Amino acid sequence: DGGITQSPKYLFRKEGQNVTLSCEQNLNHDAMYWYRQDPGQGLRLIYYSQIVNDFQKGDIAEGYSVSREKKESFPLTVTSAQKNPTAFYLCASSPNSYGYTFGSGTRLTVV
Amino acid sequence: QQPVQSPQAVILREGEDAVINCSSSKALYSVHWYRQKHGEAPVFLMILLKGGEQKGHEKISASFNEKKQQSSLYLTASQLSYSGTYFCGTDSGGGADGLTFGKGTHLIIQP
Repeated sequence: DGGITQSPKYLFRKEGQNVTLSCEQNLNHDAMYWYRQDPGQGLRLIYYSQIVNDFQKGDIAEGYSVSREKKESFPLTVTSAQKNPTAFYLCASSPNSYGYTFGSGTRLTVV
Repeated sequence: QQPVQSPQAVILREGEDAVINCSSSKALYSVHWYRQKHGEAPVFLMILLKGGEQKGHEKISASFNEKKQQSSLYLTASQLSYSGTYFCGTDSGGGADGLTFGKGTHLIIQP
């Protein structure tokens, strides 16, 4: 079955450490997105990519980086510059003019 | 700018109806609706496009007032499975630039 796979499900980060969240899709969607979800805040856009080797900053890109070397993969790195990274991270993909398919999310906690 | 959803929360008895509203200050190309259960990924319900086209689940109904930049989601004869948080996501560009989500409406269905 087609879908989006995010890993790991839970991730713990130490102060000053970079961590990478994986996102893989087999839906053949061109567009992929990373959102951050905090309690009571809804979903906020971090980065998005419409095609391979191209990506754009979203509303809260500071402290994050991404790459899009393959159509299927859109990993997110949370760098040490992100001062408050504890949150639920959701990856999504979509074809044009239709709804998003979300992955099951990664819950990141700073320890 | 983030769309405004109302109400913030609603509690219903099984079988009752509910309306969830989403309002934006920007001209919209489309409005998406998603439902999220606690700790899970959001699930696509419906997309409403400028010009009147709608795509989504047959049992879900919604409206999109393009002049007022408002959308409403109608939940009729609610079931226990309808419980969750409902998000609207708005798109002003018409491309694949990412949605801007509201803060959500918490819906609780009681037996």
